[in-house]
Amino acid sequence: QSALTQPASVSGSPGQSITISCTGTSSDVGGYNLVSWYQQYPGRAPQLMIYDDSQRPSGVSSRFSGSKSGSTASLTISGLQAEDEADYYCCSYAGSYIWLFGGGTKLAVL
Amino acid sequence: EVQLVESGGGLVQPGGSLRLSCAASGFIFSNHAMTWVRQAPGKGLEWVSSITGSAAGTYYADSVKGRFTISRDDSKNTLYLQMNSLRGEDTAVYYCARGRDVSRVDWFDPWGQGALVTVSS
Repeated sequence: QSALTQPASVSGSPGQSITISCTGTSSDVGGYNLVSWYQQYPGRAPQLMIYDDSQRPSGVSSRFSGSKSGSTASLTISGLQAEDEADYYCCSYAGSYIWLFGGGTKLAVL
Repeated sequence: EVQLVESGGGLVQPGGSLRLSCAASGFIFSNHAMTWVRQAPGKGLEWVSSITGSAAGTYYADSVKGRFTISRDDSKNTLYLQMNSLRGEDTAVYYCARGRDVSRVDWFDPWGQGALVTVSS
């Protein structure tokens, strides 16, 4: 099983919207409604931002949203804020009790 | 407050062993599957192993299968990861995380603060 594919970096200005993609296959991202997204600040533990492709946990800002089309999932952050600058990871169930992470995307708020 | 606290990390020689612990509080531990995820220095996240409630099922990444053993003690609200035959590529911060419910992992929330394991001579 290979890791899911994410862009290494994305950037945006405050107030803008950005989208981070996460590409897998029909055996993982496209095969289950079990994509989750995590935010990680340097030196800190990851935090769940989106689960079940598009569900947002309580306490997570509504500026964060998730979607999926075929074997590509996406995380969109609207109204970009300086505090959103972090690393973002997608994760998907891949069948046979295996979970795959993406390589991570570093978000820069310019 | 839901809390997970890892312990047991440290420096170990190649071929050595180490056991990590994850103490849980603030929720009914036995009602949740649990997972270990690791992150090598400067690298991304890697799923390592998961265990369902009552240890009905245990699952491992190919990279650790046969060397690592996940277990849990629901009476102590504690998750374990026994790591044997350690290699340099096992050097990482190891996080424990809670799953959806007793039988399903699905996602990881919350995460502990992590325990650093360094494999080096």
